[in-house]
Amino acid sequence: GAGVSQTPSNKVTEKGKYVELRCDPISGHTALYWYRQSLGQGPEFLIYFQGTGAADDSGLPNDRFFAVRPEGSVSTLKIQRTERGDSAVYLCASSGGRSGGSSDTQYFGPGTRLTVL
Amino acid sequence: AQTVTQSQPEMSVQEAETVTLSCTYDTSESDYYLFWYKQPPSRQMILVIRQEAYKQQNATENRFSVNFQKAAKSFSLKISDSQLGDAAMYFCAYKEGNTPLVFGKGTRLSVIA
Repeated sequence: GAGVSQTPSNKVTEKGKYVELRCDPISGHTALYWYRQSLGQGPEFLIYFQGTGAADDSGLPNDRFFAVRPEGSVSTLKIQRTERGDSAVYLCASSGGRSGGSSDTQYFGPGTRLTVL
Repeated sequence: AQTVTQSQPEMSVQEAETVTLSCTYDTSESDYYLFWYKQPPSRQMILVIRQEAYKQQNATENRFSVNFQKAAKSFSLKISDSQLGDAAMYFCAYKEGNTPLVFGKGTRLSVIA
Protein backbone atom coordinates (compact mmCIF):
# COMPACT_ATOMS: atom_id res chain seq x y z
CA GLY A 1 0.00 0.00 0.00
CA ALA A 2 0.94 3.65 -0.24
CA GLY A 3 1.15 4.29 3.50
CA VAL A 4 1.64 2.58 6.83
CA SER A 5 -1.36 0.51 7.84
CA GLN A 6 -2.27 -0.80 11.28
CA THR A 7 -4.84 -3.34 12.36
CA PRO A 8 -7.10 -3.43 14.18
CA SER A 9 -8.14 0.20 14.38
CA ASN A 10 -9.63 -0.35 17.79
CA LYS A 11 -9.22 -3.21 20.23
CA VAL A 12 -11.17 -3.71 23.44
CA THR A 13 -10.01 -6.47 25.74
CA GLU A 14 -10.32 -7.57 29.33
CA LYS A 15 -7.64 -7.31 31.95
CA GLY A 16 -5.34 -10.31 31.84
CA LYS A 17 -5.93 -11.14 28.17
CA TYR A 18 -3.34 -11.36 25.40
CA VAL A 19 -3.44 -8.99 22.39
CA GLU A 20 -1.60 -8.64 19.11
CA LEU A 21 -1.35 -5.40 17.16
CA ARG A 22 -0.18 -5.46 13.56
CA CYS A 23 1.77 -2.93 11.52
CA ASP A 24 2.36 -3.05 7.76
CA PRO A 25 5.03 -0.48 6.84
CA ILE A 26 5.58 1.39 3.61
CA SER A 27 6.97 -1.01 1.03
CA GLY A 28 10.76 -0.96 0.97
CA HIS A 29 11.19 0.81 4.30
CA THR A 30 13.82 -0.97 6.36
CA ALA A 31 13.22 0.74 9.70
CA LEU A 32 10.07 0.26 11.75
CA TYR A 33 9.17 1.92 15.05
CA TRP A 34 6.48 1.35 17.65
CA TYR A 35 5.31 4.18 19.89
CA ARG A 36 2.66 4.42 22.59
CA GLN A 37 0.55 7.54 23.04
CA SER A 38 -1.38 8.04 26.26
CA LEU A 39 -4.22 10.53 26.44
CA GLY A 40 -2.97 14.12 26.29
CA GLN A 41 0.64 13.12 25.75
CA GLY A 42 3.08 12.89 22.88
CA PRO A 43 4.04 9.48 21.54
CA GLU A 44 6.67 7.57 23.54
CA PHE A 45 9.11 5.15 21.96
CA LEU A 46 8.72 1.43 22.55
CA ILE A 47 10.91 -0.50 20.09
CA TYR A 48 12.78 -0.02 16.82
CA PHE A 49 13.55 -2.60 14.11
CA GLN A 50 16.19 -2.34 11.44
CA GLY A 51 15.31 -5.15 9.07
CA THR A 52 14.32 -8.24 11.02
CA GLY A 53 16.20 -7.49 14.21
CA ALA A 54 15.24 -5.29 17.13
CA ALA A 55 17.90 -2.58 17.07
CA ASP A 56 16.60 -0.91 20.23
CA ASP A 57 13.95 -2.22 22.61
CA SER A 58 14.80 0.07 25.50
CA GLY A 59 11.34 1.65 25.47
CA LEU A 60 9.40 -1.52 26.23
CA PRO A 61 7.95 -0.96 29.71
CA ASN A 62 8.27 -4.55 30.96
CA ASP A 63 8.51 -8.15 29.81
CA ARG A 64 4.78 -8.36 29.06
CA PHE A 65 5.52 -6.44 25.87
CA PHE A 66 7.20 -8.10 22.92
CA ALA A 67 7.45 -7.33 19.20
CA VAL A 68 8.58 -9.27 16.17
CA ARG A 69 9.31 -8.56 12.52
CA PRO A 70 10.22 -11.99 11.14
CA GLU A 71 10.54 -11.15 7.45
CA GLY A 72 11.64 -7.55 7.74
CA SER A 73 8.29 -6.14 6.69
CA VAL A 74 5.15 -6.63 8.81
CA SER A 75 5.59 -6.29 12.56
CA THR A 76 3.43 -7.51 15.41
CA LEU A 77 3.39 -5.97 18.88
CA LYS A 78 2.32 -8.51 21.48
CA ILE A 79 1.08 -7.69 24.95
CA GLN A 80 0.59 -10.44 27.51
CA ARG A 81 -1.56 -10.27 30.63
CA THR A 82 -2.90 -6.85 29.71
CA GLU A 83 -3.46 -4.27 32.45
CA ARG A 84 -5.72 -1.23 32.49
CA GLY A 85 -2.63 0.96 32.35
CA ASP A 86 -1.82 -0.47 28.92
CA SER A 87 -4.80 1.42 27.47
CA ALA A 88 -3.42 3.85 24.90
CA VAL A 89 -3.03 4.44 21.18
CA TYR A 90 -0.23 2.33 19.73
CA LEU A 91 1.41 3.99 16.73
CA CYS A 92 3.68 2.42 14.17
CA ALA A 93 6.03 4.33 11.88
CA SER A 94 8.45 3.35 9.14
CA SER A 95 11.35 5.05 7.43
CA GLY A 96 14.00 4.39 4.83
CA GLY A 97 16.34 3.44 7.63
CA ARG A 98 19.61 4.92 6.35
CA SER A 99 20.90 7.84 8.37
CA GLY A 100 20.88 11.18 6.63
CA GLY A 101 18.55 12.67 4.07
CA SER A 102 14.83 12.19 3.77
CA SER A 103 15.16 8.53 4.77
CA ASP A 104 15.28 9.79 8.36
CA THR A 105 11.68 10.93 8.13
CA GLN A 106 9.23 8.60 9.85
CA TYR A 107 5.80 8.06 8.35
CA PHE A 108 3.08 7.01 10.73
CA GLY A 109 0.11 4.70 10.54
CA PRO A 110 -3.32 5.61 11.93
CA GLY A 111 -2.67 3.76 15.17
CA THR A 112 -4.55 1.14 17.16
CA ARG A 113 -6.56 2.33 20.13
CA LEU A 114 -6.28 -0.33 22.83
CA THR A 115 -8.77 -0.28 25.69
CA VAL A 116 -8.28 -2.68 28.58
CA LEU A 117 -11.39 -3.06 30.73
CA ALA B 1 18.64 12.34 27.38
CA GLN B 2 17.23 14.67 24.79
CA THR B 3 14.05 16.48 25.74
CA VAL B 4 11.54 18.48 23.74
CA THR B 5 9.39 21.16 25.36
CA GLN B 6 6.24 22.69 23.96
CA SER B 7 5.22 25.40 26.40
CA GLN B 8 1.80 26.17 24.86
CA PRO B 9 -0.77 23.45 25.65
CA GLU B 10 -3.40 25.32 23.61
CA MET B 11 -3.43 28.04 21.00
CA SER B 12 -6.14 29.63 18.89
CA VAL B 13 -6.07 31.65 15.71
CA GLN B 14 -8.60 33.42 13.54
CA GLU B 15 -9.10 31.98 10.10
CA ALA B 16 -6.72 33.60 7.57
CA GLU B 17 -4.44 34.91 10.33
CA THR B 18 -0.94 33.77 11.30
CA VAL B 19 0.01 31.76 14.37
CA THR B 20 3.34 30.62 15.78
CA LEU B 21 3.80 27.47 17.86
CA SER B 22 6.84 27.26 20.10
CA CYS B 23 9.25 24.39 20.65
CA THR B 24 12.55 24.16 22.49
CA TYR B 25 14.81 21.17 22.86
CA ASP B 26 17.85 20.08 24.78
CA THR B 27 20.77 18.25 23.20
CA SER B 28 24.55 18.18 23.23
CA GLU B 29 24.69 16.93 19.64
CA SER B 30 25.42 19.11 16.62
CA ASP B 31 23.88 16.90 13.93
CA TYR B 32 20.19 16.10 14.27
CA TYR B 33 16.77 16.56 12.72
CA LEU B 34 13.70 18.42 13.88
CA PHE B 35 10.13 17.81 12.81
CA TRP B 36 6.65 19.16 13.22
CA TYR B 37 3.83 16.63 13.01
CA LYS B 38 0.10 17.35 12.89
CA GLN B 39 -2.37 14.96 14.53
CA PRO B 40 -6.06 15.54 13.74
CA PRO B 41 -8.80 13.65 15.61
CA SER B 42 -8.33 10.77 13.18
CA ARG B 43 -5.06 10.02 15.10
CA GLN B 44 -2.94 9.93 11.95
CA MET B 45 0.38 11.68 12.55
CA ILE B 46 1.05 13.75 9.45
CA LEU B 47 4.46 15.23 8.73
CA VAL B 48 4.20 19.01 8.35
CA ILE B 49 7.83 20.04 7.97
CA ARG B 50 11.37 18.90 8.74
CA GLN B 51 14.65 20.70 9.36
CA GLU B 52 18.20 19.39 9.24
CA ALA B 53 20.33 20.99 11.94
CA TYR B 54 23.28 21.50 9.59
CA LYS B 55 21.17 23.71 7.31
CA GLN B 56 21.04 27.37 8.27
CA GLN B 57 18.14 28.11 5.95
CA ASN B 58 14.74 27.74 7.57
CA ALA B 59 12.51 25.08 6.01
CA THR B 60 9.30 26.14 4.26
CA GLU B 61 6.37 24.10 3.00
CA ASN B 62 3.65 26.25 1.45
CA ARG B 63 1.88 28.03 4.35
CA PHE B 64 4.13 26.40 6.94
CA SER B 65 7.56 27.68 7.86
CA VAL B 66 9.94 27.31 10.76
CA ASN B 67 12.21 29.61 12.69
CA PHE B 68 15.20 27.44 13.58
CA GLN B 69 17.56 29.01 16.10
CA LYS B 70 20.28 26.40 16.68
CA ALA B 71 22.21 28.27 19.36
CA ALA B 72 19.02 28.91 21.31
CA LYS B 73 17.77 25.34 20.63
CA SER B 74 14.48 26.74 19.44
CA PHE B 75 12.30 25.46 16.59
CA SER B 76 9.02 27.32 16.17
CA LEU B 77 6.36 26.66 13.54
CA LYS B 78 4.59 29.50 11.77
CA ILE B 79 1.29 28.83 10.04
CA SER B 80 0.22 31.58 7.65
CA ASP B 81 -3.28 32.14 6.28
CA SER B 82 -4.71 29.67 8.80
CA GLN B 83 -7.48 27.41 7.55
CA LEU B 84 -10.16 25.47 9.42
CA GLY B 85 -8.43 22.27 8.38
CA ASP B 86 -5.31 23.30 10.31
CA ALA B 87 -7.09 22.64 13.61
CA ALA B 88 -5.29 19.71 15.26
CA MET B 89 -2.67 18.73 17.80
CA TYR B 90 0.81 19.74 16.71
CA PHE B 91 3.85 17.86 17.96
CA CYS B 92 7.46 18.96 17.77
CA ALA B 93 9.94 16.10 17.54
CA TYR B 94 13.71 15.61 17.64
CA LYS B 95 15.84 12.84 16.11
CA GLU B 96 19.54 12.10 15.77
CA GLY B 97 21.05 9.33 13.69
CA ASN B 98 19.23 6.00 13.90
CA THR B 99 17.42 6.84 17.11
CA PRO B 100 13.67 7.09 17.61
CA LEU B 101 11.81 10.37 17.65
CA VAL B 102 11.52 12.27 20.92
CA PHE B 103 8.25 14.19 21.05
CA GLY B 104 7.01 17.16 22.99
CA LYS B 105 3.63 17.04 24.73
CA GLY B 106 1.90 18.85 21.92
CA THR B 107 -0.03 22.05 21.31
CA ARG B 108 -3.74 21.96 20.53
CA LEU B 109 -4.52 24.50 17.81
CA SER B 110 -8.04 25.79 17.33
CA VAL B 111 -8.99 27.81 14.26
CA ILE B 112 -11.86 30.25 14.69
CA ALA B 113 -14.05 30.97 11.68
